[in-house]
Amino acid sequence: GNSVTQMEGPVTLSEEAFLTINCTYTATGYPSLFWYVQYPGEGLQLLLKATKADDKGSNKGFEATYRKETTSFHLEKGSVQVSDSAVYFCALRGGSYIPTFGRGTSLIVHP
Amino acid sequence: NAGVTQTPKFQVLKTGQSMTLQCAQDMNHEYMSWYRQDPGMGLRLIHYSVGAGITDQGEVPNGYNVSRSTTEDFPLRLLSAAPSQTSVYFCASWDSGNTIYFGEGSWLTVV
Repeated sequence: GNSVTQMEGPVTLSEEAFLTINCTYTATGYPSLFWYVQYPGEGLQLLLKATKADDKGSNKGFEATYRKETTSFHLEKGSVQVSDSAVYFCALRGGSYIPTFGRGTSLIVHP
Repeated sequence: NAGVTQTPKFQVLKTGQSMTLQCAQDMNHEYMSWYRQDPGMGLRLIHYSVGAGITDQGEVPNGYNVSRSTTEDFPLRLLSAAPSQTSVYFCASWDSGNTIYFGEGSWLTVV
């Protein structure tokens, strides 16, 4: 079956540092890939997505590239802010249309 | 512009009580699901539905019932609450397009 593995957190960074959160997946076929963000006390919101190999999703300074050869979709941001502190979920959706989520990675950004 | 609406947001139950978490979406989505979120466990799928009248079990269905009599509504019933069901519950909906929309969550405590 499908699975998503993300790096465990928490990831703790200083403001303006570079962020990488690793995500790898196992799936048959060509799934769509997503990053969702959850701010404290809220539900999950779509951050970015990519629907085919080599696509780059981007939003709010975050980027992730769909790498089929390494089955990865790592999230990056060049300069994090305190307001980026949240939990980030990597997810995929394949032919069954039922999404599979990773366990989430908590990001803490200090001033 | 409601999206996915969950009620109640907070609830305290005594062991053995029953209750229903309500979920409604106004986007005419085919697919709906319920997840629970526990520390260190990420999102775990409880039940899902691929259309009105069709439901199926997810990863952790025991102790929960669902029904989908209309496209809009997907209530989650706790039959006899147990402390192990203390969690945050999220309802989600999507269609054959890509984005999954989440409700704001329901915080449930069973004492």
